[in-house]
Amino acid sequence: ETGVTQTPRHLVMGMTNKKSLKCEQHLGHNAMYWYKQSAKKPLELMFVYNFKEQTENNSVPSRFSPECPNSSHLFLHLHTLQPEDSALYLCASSQELNTGELFFGEGSRLTVL
Amino acid sequence: RKEVEQDPGPFNVPEGATVAFNCTYSNSASQSFFWYRQDCRKEPKLLMSVYSSGNEDGRFTAQLNRASQYISLLIRDSKLSDSATYLCVVINTGGFKTIFGAGTRLFVKA
Repeated sequence: ETGVTQTPRHLVMGMTNKKSLKCEQHLGHNAMYWYKQSAKKPLELMFVYNFKEQTENNSVPSRFSPECPNSSHLFLHLHTLQPEDSALYLCASSQELNTGELFFGEGSRLTVL
Repeated sequence: RKEVEQDPGPFNVPEGATVAFNCTYSNSASQSFFWYRQDCRKEPKLLMSVYSSGNEDGRFTAQLNRASQYISLLIRDSKLSDSATYLCVVINTGGFKTIFGAGTRLFVKA
């Protein structure tokens, strides 16, 4: 059983749709992250939350909107996405901020038509 | 120059072979280093930390060379199950950024 769970695992949406990705961690960690992984590119950090406060927004377009209601849950709200936003979106958590010891969820594979 | 660079490979090796990957980093103030493993269509998982004195875990050995600014991962007696992409991770204390390399693909053949 993974300590970080993501839903949905797969999502297909049109450019005008609004959808959300959900992440939940059961590890008691204080920091949570959203990463984007595109083919043959390094993981791109999108957002960082520490004790449910956003500490980093890595120049992410406003069509991606994060929400962290508590230290265990993280959402990524999606609206008016572009086809180039199709990627694997990975949620991760760590005990403390930026320790490098990240626990990832299995990811949400997003396809934008 | 990219902050973290890895040879994408793929490295194709027979079972039982020894294989080594390097990862170079550009920021001399980088503080912490890690290797992650990512299987096809799976999430990355922490493989091992890289300490200044090196780190060994079974068939896996990680080394840090601060003078030349690279870390290495050595895999001895390769198994089919070692086939994966190996990601290098560097933590920069300036801004406390966690930076991933693009990964090196390894295929171990029977």
